[in-house]
Amino acid sequence: GQQVMQIPQYQHVQEGEDFTTYCNSSTTLSNIQWYKQRPGGHPVFLIQLVKSGEVKKQKRLTFQFGEAKKNSSLHITATQTTDVGTYFCAAPRSNDYKLSFGAGTTVTVRA
Amino acid sequence: DTAVSQTPKYLVTQMGNDKSIKCEQNLGHDTMYWYKQDSKKFLKIMFSYNNKELIINETVPNRFSPKSPDKAHLNLHINSLELGDSAVYFCASSQVAGPYEQYFGPGTRLTVT
Repeated sequence: GQQVMQIPQYQHVQEGEDFTTYCNSSTTLSNIQWYKQRPGGHPVFLIQLVKSGEVKKQKRLTFQFGEAKKNSSLHITATQTTDVGTYFCAAPRSNDYKLSFGAGTTVTVRA
Repeated sequence: DTAVSQTPKYLVTQMGNDKSIKCEQNLGHDTMYWYKQDSKKFLKIMFSYNNKELIINETVPNRFSPKSPDKAHLNLHINSLELGDSAVYFCASSQVAGPYEQYFGPGTRLTVT
């Protein structure tokens, strides 16, 4: 079945620095979603990308969908302690629309 | 107002016991899900119901039995609990079945000793 591969698994960032997490698929995706889970919390929907090459911004977060719709990235600029958590990408399977979640990128921030 | 709620938040029990987790959503959504998140944070779907009808049933031991009395509620009953069942179980809902954003409940941390 379709899988979305997410890298890196862990990201240790100095406060104020930028970082990027990537999500890759071997098949074309109809859309891709991003979720954030704070430590001890539950996944919270951030955004959905649908169009090829689409770029969306939420304050310091920039989400991109690849031209071939097989990959996506989340770039965070000027990381803050509030960015700590695990970021998941998720994409629907073509046969039943079930969301397949990536393994997540767990972000820690050094003050 | 809580959109998706789960009870209990924590559940500690012994091997062999039977336990239930309850979930309710007040968003008016048609579709509800159960996910299992292991210690490595991997999220795996277990079941999905659309308007009380089971639409997704992943490879889950038959000790796990979901039940949806109405479209706002989805419960999960687990028989003969095993150590490997220890995890965080999340309920979620979406407006309709399909590739749409999902709203997650706060989770139930199940510990089997």
